[in-house]
Amino acid sequence: EADIYQTPRYLVIGTGKKITLECSQTMGHDKMYWYQQDPGMELHLIHYSYGVNSTEKGDLSSESTVSRIRTEHFPLTLESARPSHTSQYLCASSEYGRGTNTEAFFGQGTRLTVV
Amino acid sequence: GNSVTQMEGPVTLSEEAFLTINCTYTATGYPSLFWYVQYPGEGLQLLLKATKADDKGSNKGFEATYRKETTSFHLEKGSVQVSDSAVYFCAYNFNKFYFGSGTKLNVKP
Repeated sequence: EADIYQTPRYLVIGTGKKITLECSQTMGHDKMYWYQQDPGMELHLIHYSYGVNSTEKGDLSSESTVSRIRTEHFPLTLESARPSHTSQYLCASSEYGRGTNTEAFFGQGTRLTVV
Repeated sequence: GNSVTQMEGPVTLSEEAFLTINCTYTATGYPSLFWYVQYPGEGLQLLLKATKADDKGSNKGFEATYRKETTSFHLEKGSVQVSDSAVYFCAYNFNKFYFGSGTKLNVKP
C-alpha cells in the first residue's frame, strides 16, 4: 500500500477563495508530482519537484503554485479559485536517480469544486 | 517525440469475457513499461510492470508483454469480473512519466 496522502479528499469552495491542497509521502521519495485529471480521464502534469527547494512547471499551464520545503510535503496553492479550476488533482511521488524502472505512487486525489 | 497511445474506450464486456487493451509507445531507448488502474473515486495504483524486452508483467490475472519490435505493451485478461471495472492507464518513465489517455472498462454481470 502506497504511503502518500492527500487532504482534503473533497472540497467545495466559493470563487475567489485561497486554497491549499496538501500532499505528504512517507517513502522518502525525492521526486513529487501534481497532476490535474479532467473528466475525460486524461492526466495532465502541472507541477513537479526533484527535491527540497526544487519546483518546476509541468506540461499544462496552471495558475496554481507549489512549494517543497520538506522532502515529504508538496502542497499546491490556488490564490484565487475560479470555476475553471474545478477538477480532480492527483499527487504522486517516485524515487529519483534509479533510471526508468522506478514507478510512481499516487495519492487518492482531491476533488475540487469551485462554485 | 515521447508518447503513449491507448485504445479509446469505453470498453464494455460481459463477465468472464476476454479483455485486451492496446497500448503502443514512442520513446527514446527502452524504458520500463507500466499499467496502472484507477478505481472510481481513487488515485492510480500500479497493476503490473515490465522492465525489458520480452518481459511479461502479471498481477491479479492481468498480463502484458513488453514487445520491442512493435513498441507495444497490450494488457490482457482471460476472464474479467465486475470488480475489474475501472480506468486503465499505460505508462513509462523517462525523466518524467508519460501516460496514455486512459481506457475505461465496464464489465456487466
